Amino acid sequence: KQEVTQIPAALSVPEGENLVLNCSFTDSAIYNLQWFRQDPGKGLTSLLLIQSSQREQTSGRLNASLDKSSGRSTLYIAASQPGDSATYLCAVGAQKLVFGQGTRLTINP
Amino acid sequence: GAGVSQSPSNKVTEKGKDVELRCDPISGHTALYWYRQSLGQGLEFLIYFQGNSAPDKSGLPSDRFSAERTGGSVSTLTIQRTQQEDSAVYLCASSPQGQSYEQYFGPGTRLTVT
Repeated sequence: KQEVTQIPAALSVPEGENLVLNCSFTDSAIYNLQWFRQDPGKGLTSLLLIQSSQREQTSGRLNASLDKSSGRSTLYIAASQPGDSATYLCAVGAQKLVFGQGTRLTINP
Repeated sequence: GAGVSQSPSNKVTEKGKDVELRCDPISGHTALYWYRQSLGQGLEFLIYFQGNSAPDKSGLPSDRFSAERTGGSVSTLTIQRTQQEDSAVYLCASSPQGQSYEQYFGPGTRLTVT
C-alpha cells in the first residue's frame, strides 16, 4: 500500500528566503506525482505535475524534482513571498491519488 | 475558463438524514473524482468515473455512500443515514482525456453532521 509522507509538517521562514519542501513515498512504481497548494477553507490548486518518466518540472519560482529510485520529491520555492503562505500537499498516483499530510508554510513579512 | 464547481459550499444535517452533494466538472473533462478531507484521515480517495466505464468505487468507506454521474458530466455523491464521522470536506476533481491525469479540484463542500 502506497504511503506518502511530508516533512516538515510546518515551516515558518522570513520573506525572500529560498526553501525546500520534502515528500517521500514508499512504492516507487508511481505514475504521476502532483504538488498542490491549499489555502485555508479552499480547495486544492495544482502547482506542478511530474510524470514518472520526468525528473523535474518548473513553473515560475517553483521547481519540483522527482527521484523514483529513492522515493522522494522536493518542491523548491525561490524568493518566497507572504502570498506563498498556504499548505502544500504532494500526491502520487494516476486516477487514485494518495496524499501526504501536507506542509503548512508561513512566510513572514 | 470555468473551473470545477461544487454545491452546496456548506451543509449542516442531522444524524440519520440523507445528503446529496453536487459536482460540475470542467467542460470537456472525461474523468471525475471524489475525495474526502477530514482532520483525522487527511485526504482520501472515494470514487472515480472515466467516460462510460464502470466507476472505481474502491475508496467508498461504507455502503451508505454512493455516487452517480449523469450524461458524462455532473456527478452527485449521496450519503445515506449520515453519521457524525461523515463530517468532512468533500472535494471533487476532474481531469481531461489523455494520459497525464492531472487533476483539477473544486472548492469543496463542508459537511457537518450534528
